[in-house]
Amino acid sequence: DVKVTQSSRYLVKRTGEKVFLECVQDMDHENMFWYRQDPGLGLRLIYFSYDVKMKEKGDIPEGYSVSREKKERFSLILESASTNQTSMYLCASSSPGPFFYEQYFGPGTRLTVT
Amino acid sequence: TQLLEQSPQFLSIQEGENLTVYCNSSSVFSSLQWYRQEPGEGPVLLVTVVTGGEVKKLKRLTFQFGDARKDSSLHITAAQPGDTGLYLCAGADNDMRFGAGTRLTVKP
Repeated sequence: DVKVTQSSRYLVKRTGEKVFLECVQDMDHENMFWYRQDPGLGLRLIYFSYDVKMKEKGDIPEGYSVSREKKERFSLILESASTNQTSMYLCASSSPGPFFYEQYFGPGTRLTVT
Repeated sequence: TQLLEQSPQFLSIQEGENLTVYCNSSSVFSSLQWYRQEPGEGPVLLVTVVTGGEVKKLKRLTFQFGDARKDSSLHITAAQPGDTGLYLCAGADNDMRFGAGTRLTVKP
């Protein structure tokens, strides 16, 4: 069974802290994604990666960075957390080519920044 | 920018009723995905449609892609409490856009 796991289900951080969110997939997928989900706004793409050490900005990359040192692992970093980054963060992965858009999601990390 | 509008935003029905939710855009998509997200979980892919006019069935769920590939509908027959969740559509062309979802509650 395919699986995407995220390091934490819930996180509470203070403004200004550096925050690491980690995602691991066991499907040998080339593509990995980070989204944030806010009520009424749907899922918005922060960054994606199509290979190790490769990354592409999504729609809302400001305030975030990512790291992909191994194929199975994709990390999202909030360099200095702010209250407007309180959100649900979802990681996803997919195969290349025609299956790029068929994404498998992790359970999400609900981040609260106080 | 592709914008996907889903309607209704919220839907609460009794077990056994039928329902249809919609996903509309002014953009043409090469494919469209439907996902279901249960509370506290990530979205789970239900189906991909790629051909205009295509109809796909998944047990009691029927998905249709519009002829012009700009819109889609999801019909659920005899809804059950287990169908409760957030239904998201996502349209893909050069990139991918998600709608905000329809939150469905099926009461026993």
